[in-house]
Amino acid sequence: NAGVMQNPRHLVRRRGQEARLRCSPMKGHSHVYWYRQLPEEGLKFMVYLQKENIIDESGMPKERFSAEFPKEGPSILRIQQVVRGDSAAYFCASSPHAGGASNQPQHFGDGTRLSIL
Amino acid sequence: KQEVTQIPAALSVPEGENLVLNCSFTDSAIYNLQWFRQDPGKGLTSLLLIQSSQREQTSGRLNASLDKSSGRSTLYIAASQPGDSATYLCAVIATNNAGNMLTFGGGTRLMVKP
Repeated sequence: NAGVMQNPRHLVRRRGQEARLRCSPMKGHSHVYWYRQLPEEGLKFMVYLQKENIIDESGMPKERFSAEFPKEGPSILRIQQVVRGDSAAYFCASSPHAGGASNQPQHFGDGTRLSIL
Repeated sequence: KQEVTQIPAALSVPEGENLVLNCSFTDSAIYNLQWFRQDPGKGLTSLLLIQSSQREQTSGRLNASLDKSSGRSTLYIAASQPGDSATYLCAVIATNNAGNMLTFGGGTRLMVKP
């Protein structure tokens, strides 16, 4: 049973380009979470999605960032017109049910390290 | 707003020592608390999850306790080994959190010297 798969592992973009980060949750998991880890900082929540729905995007910047989790295929975190401050490790996690009341642990992928030149 | 703090930020011990990592959170209304391990350049590995109704969880040489009323958790590592060297993170899910997201502490960087 494969874990949470993220790709690419490393992504280099120049300022102004677009970055697309992909996350395939564990089999049977329909809840996906994206977190960002800035250099020398802790992990911060960005967005929580279920299939075809964004449930909570309170941690995601209002501009340039978007996320989706289509009926078929992986979840995508998209960053338009990247800037140097977007350089970070982006982690995806999944759970079979809502992580809170169900007491199901969130399982994390190995992350995508985004570097902006 | 929930805030999670971990102390110490870094810890270096000789192999074989028993050690305790501390985690505190400001809002005691939580569903659960989870301890993770993060190796450099890697993702997070879930170590232990303690539900709000529980006092502790054990897995091998690891024991995590939870005192919800005081907003504290500890991770106890027995007979530490060099392979335990990593960053340890604690995180909580608050009950007033419709998004079910984890709120993380800043982590404790552990170095176990052979």
